[in-house]
Amino acid sequence: GAGVSQSPSNKVTEKGKDVELRCDPISGHTALYWYRQSLGQGLEFLIYFQGNSAPDKSGLPSDRFSAERTGGSVSTLTIQRTQQEDSAVYLCASSSTGTRGREQYFGPGTRLTVT
Amino acid sequence: GNSVTQMEGPVTLSEEAFLTINCTYTATGYPSLFWYVQYPGEGLQLLLKATKADDKGSNKGFEATYRKETTSFHLEKGSVQVSDSAVYFCALSLPNTGNQFYFGTGTSLTVIP
Repeated sequence: GAGVSQSPSNKVTEKGKDVELRCDPISGHTALYWYRQSLGQGLEFLIYFQGNSAPDKSGLPSDRFSAERTGGSVSTLTIQRTQQEDSAVYLCASSSTGTRGREQYFGPGTRLTVT
Repeated sequence: GNSVTQMEGPVTLSEEAFLTINCTYTATGYPSLFWYVQYPGEGLQLLLKATKADDKGSNKGFEATYRKETTSFHLEKGSVQVSDSAVYFCALSLPNTGNQFYFGTGTSLTVIP
């Protein structure tokens, strides 16, 4: 079956512009996660959704970052007034509900470059 | 807090050499432990996992044992191949934090013929 997909694969934007990153999880996966992978910072957790709810938003770096999920499926990560330090690869992952130790399936990522 | 400390890289080995990548963790609870691999130009994929103490995860010749007494989950392979060249990430998850992953910083491995 189809894996996690993300769009766009690459995004170049000017400082101060808003961007939207999209994630399509694996069908039937109720949990969805956003991470950021940047040089020197490793992989950092941003936010997760259980269904359409986001119980934990503590990883969002600032109030310029927001995310939503509709219909328990597609999620959008929005970055407003982008800054150069936002340049990174944004990864989305999804997993099914169930017992502990659930594997997360990762998308290919969106490479964001802020000029 | 919850965190993963991973062996600094990069690591360069000759083909057929023995590989160890160290990983230790700190967790407020009883975590599940994972190794993910990122091959050049590809996304993250699960290599192996273990969900309870003394479990051994294994895949593609790689192994890691969940050691609760030393809070470790070291990755090993007896004989590496050029195709194992990749970045390896150790991670933990906890049910009480939504099973989000806490990742190590990643270890880059290059295997030379």
